[in-house]
Amino acid sequence: NAGVMQNPRHLVRRRGQEARLRCSPMKGHSHVYWYRQLPEEGLKFMVYLQKENIIDESGMPKERFSAEFPKEGPSILRIQQVVRGDSAAYFCASSMDRGRSDNEQFFGPGTRLTVL
Amino acid sequence: DAKTTQPTSMDCAEGRAANLPCNHSTISGNEYVYWYRQIHSQGPQYIIHGLKNNETNEMASLIITEDRKSSTLILPHATLRDTAVYYCIVRVNSGGSNYKLTFGKGTLLTVNP
Repeated sequence: NAGVMQNPRHLVRRRGQEARLRCSPMKGHSHVYWYRQLPEEGLKFMVYLQKENIIDESGMPKERFSAEFPKEGPSILRIQQVVRGDSAAYFCASSMDRGRSDNEQFFGPGTRLTVL
Repeated sequence: DAKTTQPTSMDCAEGRAANLPCNHSTISGNEYVYWYRQIHSQGPQYIIHGLKNNETNEMASLIITEDRKSSTLILPHATLRDTAVYYCIVRVNSGGSNYKLTFGKGTLLTVNP
């Protein structure tokens, strides 16, 4: 049973380019969460999605960042016109359901974005 | 969600029990205590969670004080592969934005040979 998969594992972009990060949830999971971890800091929640719906994007920067989770295919976190401050590790997690006490989130290995 | 306080770092000898404390004095009655860990360069890994009773699984034990203001994660026989940052998180059982895991700085546990 494969875990949460993320690709690429490492991504290098120059300032102004676009970054696309992909996340395939665990089999049977329909809830996806994206977190960002800046250097030397803890993970911070960005966005929560279900299939074809954004449930909560309160942690997303207002500009340049967007996320989707289409009916078919992986969830995508898209960063347009990247800046050096976007350099971070981006983690995706998935769960079967939300709101239940035994509903843990399973995390992927992360994508490490470096902006030159 | 209630705030948690953890020591910045701890050391443990290989084969010994590692006891990681967490203070959550403002925890509410409907908030659970969750533990995750993050091994270097990997994603966080769920370890265990509980409400008020002590819990045990194949990875660890969780001891929650009777007043629920603090808890201890116990790794009974620490190995070198347990070296990681351990996060104690409290969050509500259901409703609202309970899906948001709020990670603090955690405790860096170093297991020494």
